[in-house]
Amino acid sequence: DAGVTQSPTHLIKTRGQQVTLRCSPKSGHDTVSWYQQALGQGPQFIFQYYEEEERQRGNFPDRFSGHQFPNYSSELNVNALLLGDSALYLCASSQTRAAGNTIYFGEGSWLTVV
Amino acid sequence: QKEVEQDPGPLSVPEGAIVSLNCTYSNSAFQYFMWYRQYSRKGPELLMYTYSSGNKEDGRFTAQVDKSSKYISLFIRDSQPSDSATYLCAMKDAGGTSYGKLTFGQGTILTVHP
Repeated sequence: DAGVTQSPTHLIKTRGQQVTLRCSPKSGHDTVSWYQQALGQGPQFIFQYYEEEERQRGNFPDRFSGHQFPNYSSELNVNALLLGDSALYLCASSQTRAAGNTIYFGEGSWLTVV
Repeated sequence: QKEVEQDPGPLSVPEGAIVSLNCTYSNSAFQYFMWYRQYSRKGPELLMYTYSSGNKEDGRFTAQVDKSSKYISLFIRDSQPSDSATYLCAMKDAGGTSYGKLTFGQGTILTVHP
């Protein structure tokens, strides 16, 4: 049973550029959430996708956008990158109608903005 | 004030010790409580999941929830060097549009030395 998979694992971008990160949820899961984890901090909720729509959003600017595809996979896009966007970006998947709604994380994508 | 407070440590214990990790929270809407373990430069791994006050045991791990005090704990018995990691507490409310939105503590860095 494949878990949550993310790509790429590491990437380096220049300030002002745009980046796209990808996520495939755990088999059987229909809900994808994205989190940003700065060094030494806990993950911060960016947004959640269910049925191809953004269902909830955390306190992140519009430069952060996403998409969910019919196969439940998801993309996170960040425009006009800032140095402060350097972080580990985590994808989490869950099943909305499942009892308990357990949430599993991928290994993350390390983004460095220079 | 943060919704979830967690002492970042670091915490250093000898092998075989009992470890106690704690979080407090302010949002009484939180109903589900999780503990994740995160090894360096990896994604969080779900360790324990509880939704009621009381204790839940799984092998060497015991999760404790006291909703009246808004306080949760994770106990690790017979700690091993392989338990050295960052431990994150996470919480979410019961429903509405918050399916899967987790609010994390900062994480506690634990080192178990031989």
